[in-house]
Amino acid sequence: GAGVSQSPSNKVTEKGKDVELRCDPISGHTALYWYRQSLGQGLEFLIYFQGNSAPDKSGLPSDRFSAERTGGSVSTLTIQRTQQEDSAVYLCASTFSGATGELFFGEGSRLTVL
Amino acid sequence: EDQVTQSPEALRLQEGESSSLNCSYTVSGLRGLFWYRQDPGKGPEFLFTLYSAGEEKEKERLKATLTKKESFLHITAPKPEDSATYLCAVQAPAAGNKLTFGGGTRVLVKP
Repeated sequence: GAGVSQSPSNKVTEKGKDVELRCDPISGHTALYWYRQSLGQGLEFLIYFQGNSAPDKSGLPSDRFSAERTGGSVSTLTIQRTQQEDSAVYLCASTFSGATGELFFGEGSRLTVL
Repeated sequence: EDQVTQSPEALRLQEGESSSLNCSYTVSGLRGLFWYRQDPGKGPEFLFTLYSAGEEKEKERLKATLTKKESFLHITAPKPEDSATYLCAVQAPAAGNKLTFGGGTRVLVKP
């Protein structure tokens, strides 16, 4: 596809379960970001990958959150032992280089924790 | 820590009624300031990059300007299709390559 693809688009889970969210960036983009957007709020930075460099994990809110990027392409955000406060839209974005702020966002994965 | 504050939180306009959105920022060395548009249920869409005070960018009915402390997004003669949430973000070297976003301004343009 031409754009950033995220799956699932919607996920409802029970408190305490683990969830995985997937992001397929635009081909050729070396930088990949994860952001979280709670209802009516701005975007909260979670993690940033650039090429083969060590990721910037400074935004991850707790050790229940982790992310990986395989082969410099697809990324997976994992939330373990989900809590109700984890409910939000998780947005992935990619770009040619992290030095530019022109990010291409996917449509997000809406997570609801019951 | 970088901070971005947008005002107002919400703006209701009549079609054709021009207005401005404000983005105030506090950063240690601005690399760039960015404006995005977000429609309901969608991811943000990039609009503009501004790098230095005095710079202006235009696209259709939108014009973005930058000073050393704030940026404005001017909407001239808006149409209903301009209804969206407008997000401002900053990037600063001390924060690496992450973008820090403001809370956004929800704009509703009524016909």
